[in-house]
Amino acid sequence: DAGITQSPRHKVTETGTPVTLRCHQTENHRYMYWYRQDPGHGLRLIHYSYGVKDTDKGEVSDGYSVSRSKTEDFLLTLESATSSQTSVYFCAISESIWDRTNGGYTFGSGTRLTVV
Amino acid sequence: KNEVEQSPQNLTAQEGEFITINCSYSVGISALHWLQQHPGGGIVSLFMLSSGKKKHGRLIATINIQEKHSSLHITASHPRDSAVYICAVRSRGSQGNLIFGKGTKLSVKP
Repeated sequence: DAGITQSPRHKVTETGTPVTLRCHQTENHRYMYWYRQDPGHGLRLIHYSYGVKDTDKGEVSDGYSVSRSKTEDFLLTLESATSSQTSVYFCAISESIWDRTNGGYTFGSGTRLTVV
Repeated sequence: KNEVEQSPQNLTAQEGEFITINCSYSVGISALHWLQQHPGGGIVSLFMLSSGKKKHGRLIATINIQEKHSSLHITASHPRDSAVYICAVRSRGSQGNLIFGKGTKLSVKP
C-alpha cells in the first residue's frame, strides 16, 4: 500500500553514463519532489513538480533534469553521472501545499546510487 | 548558517526515559514537519505543525512560532524508537518543498 514507489532501489553506474530514476505514485497527488541525502547534510531539494509538465529547480539542480509527462510519474535524469552524484535519492509526494492531513508528505523508499 | 538547526545531533537514552529533541529555524514558515528515518532508510512523516501541540501515542510535538522553535518529545522511550528524527520546515511562499535539518540520531538502550 506504499502509494509511492521508486525504481531502481539500488544502482551502480559508471562516470559519464546517463541514469534515470523513476518515481511512481498511485495517490494522484499534484506535487512531487526529488531530494538527495548525503552524510553531513540534510535532505536537499533537486527538482520538484507542481503538475504535469510543470517543474522547477531546487537547491542542487546542476547536472540533473526531470520530466513529468503524467501525474503518476516523475523521472530524474543524471545526464552524465559524476562521482559527486553518488547519493541516496528520495522522491516525495504531497497532495497540497496547504496540507490538511497530519503528515502531508509521503516519501519513497529511496534509491541508492553509486557512480564509479 | 543552516536555516534549520537540530539538537542534539546524537542522543543515547535508557529504555523508559523521557526524550526531547529540539529544532530551531530562521525562516518564516507555513508548516513544520517531524520525520522519522529508520536504519533501513525509509522516511515516515510523524507530524505536521503550524501552531500549538500535537500528540500521537507516546510522541508529542510542540511549536512556538514567535520563538521559531519546535520540540519533539518521546515519553517512555523504547528501543524500537531508535531512529534518526528529522525536522523540516516549509517556508512561507514555497511550492511545498521542505528545508531539512541534519537529523538527530536516537539510540534507546534496553
